[in-house]
Amino acid sequence: DQQVKQNSPSLSVQEGRISILNCDYTNSMFDYFLWYKKYPAEGPTFLISISSIKDKNEDGRFTVFLNKSAKHLSLHIVPSQPGDSAVYFCAASVRNYGQNFVFGPGTRLSVLP
Amino acid sequence: DGGITQSPKYLFRKEGQNVTLSCEQNLNHDAMYWYRQDPGQGLRLIYYSQIVNDFQKGDIAEGYSVSREKKESFPLTVTSAQKNPTAFYLCASSITAASSYNEQFFGPGTRLTVL
Repeated sequence: DQQVKQNSPSLSVQEGRISILNCDYTNSMFDYFLWYKKYPAEGPTFLISISSIKDKNEDGRFTVFLNKSAKHLSLHIVPSQPGDSAVYFCAASVRNYGQNFVFGPGTRLSVLP
Repeated sequence: DGGITQSPKYLFRKEGQNVTLSCEQNLNHDAMYWYRQDPGQGLRLIYYSQIVNDFQKGDIAEGYSVSREKKESFPLTVTSAQKNPTAFYLCASSITAASSYNEQFFGPGTRLTVL
């Protein structure tokens, strides 16, 4: 039973447009969420995070939105660039629970020039 | 330069052989983790360690073993009991602070292929 779901395995977006990656979770105890970006044959790199006390966090071209009532978060990338093409993982954890994160299956983003 | 190193990047082994994957970090992080990634799946936690000389099983620990004798090192042994060992293995570390939110930093990964 997947606690963190990313229902779109892949997404294609034109360069300059907005990319929206979605993530849903089932465990209402999750209170901290992260997005990681991963290139092939490399380890994931941390992108942006949000705690449950917020509903939005912004860092440059990246914004994460959290809807606790819907147990849904999304990552917006605008404008999208070809270098953003990668697999994006959503991860969730429960504070004070040993920092163990549950990862979603990932969404492969392709930004077309 | 601080970071996490995993070696080797590619590893080939014959079926039935044990193999040990290396993970070293110089970030002074207390916690270390091992994940496995298979095509189309997210990262699944194999083992984690919050402190030296202590480690806990993750979601898919069967067929694996670890040790944490030093803060900076967390080697993973894939034993012959692991039924599907071919995968991409990722090591990560994080600061353990109960009152803080801390992301995990990942190494570059080791791709293990069992022939």
